[in-house]
Amino acid sequence: ETGVTQTPRHLVMGMTNKKSLKCEQHLGHNAMYWYKQSAKKPLELMFVYSLEERVENNSVPSRFSPECPNSSHLFLHLHTLQPEDSALYLCASSQEAGSPYEQYFGPGTRLTVT
Amino acid sequence: AQKVTQAQTEISVVEKEDVTLDCVYETRDTTYYLFWYKQPPSGELVFLIRRNSFDEQNEISGRYSWNFQKSTSSFNFTITASQVVDSAVYFCALSEAADSSYKLIFGSGTRLLVRP
Repeated sequence: ETGVTQTPRHLVMGMTNKKSLKCEQHLGHNAMYWYKQSAKKPLELMFVYSLEERVENNSVPSRFSPECPNSSHLFLHLHTLQPEDSALYLCASSQEAGSPYEQYFGPGTRLTVT
Repeated sequence: AQKVTQAQTEISVVEKEDVTLDCVYETRDTTYYLFWYKQPPSGELVFLIRRNSFDEQNEISGRYSWNFQKSTSSFNFTITASQVVDSAVYFCALSEAADSSYKLIFGSGTRLLVRP
């Protein structure tokens, strides 16, 4: 149990659907992250939030829209995705953003776009 | 340019064998941090270790040990007497102080299969 939960664990959606991924951390951390893990590619950092404020957006297409209502919850809203967006989406948290603290990851949401 | 290289894509060993996973990094920063994570089939990355660039002492934790060599820019991970439960993908990562966000730069991972 890493203290970071993600729902749903699996999601299949059509290109015209709108869905959301949810992440919750129970570690009292101030920073939360979204990563994308595609087959045969290194993990890609998508977004970083520090105390509900977005501090990094790594050139992610606008069809991905993050939301951080408080330091314990992070969402990734998805709309009009493409098949190449199929991947494992991992959420992580750490004590602080902008610091070398280790990050703790959730189990991920396996997304398939049809 | 990729800054963390894990040249071994996949390693297969028989249970009880020792196995070393290689990690070579590239940085111009004098202050940096190196990490190892384990990703079992369940999906989550499990934090294993963090070392800073000023601490070259090798670390041992049970069957796990890490060899940090600045001279060769390597941070290798050895599992002694491997077990089936060690089967997973292992990632090495780098975080640089020069990058104020300290974001993690991951290698492409090494898939370890431990056969009974």
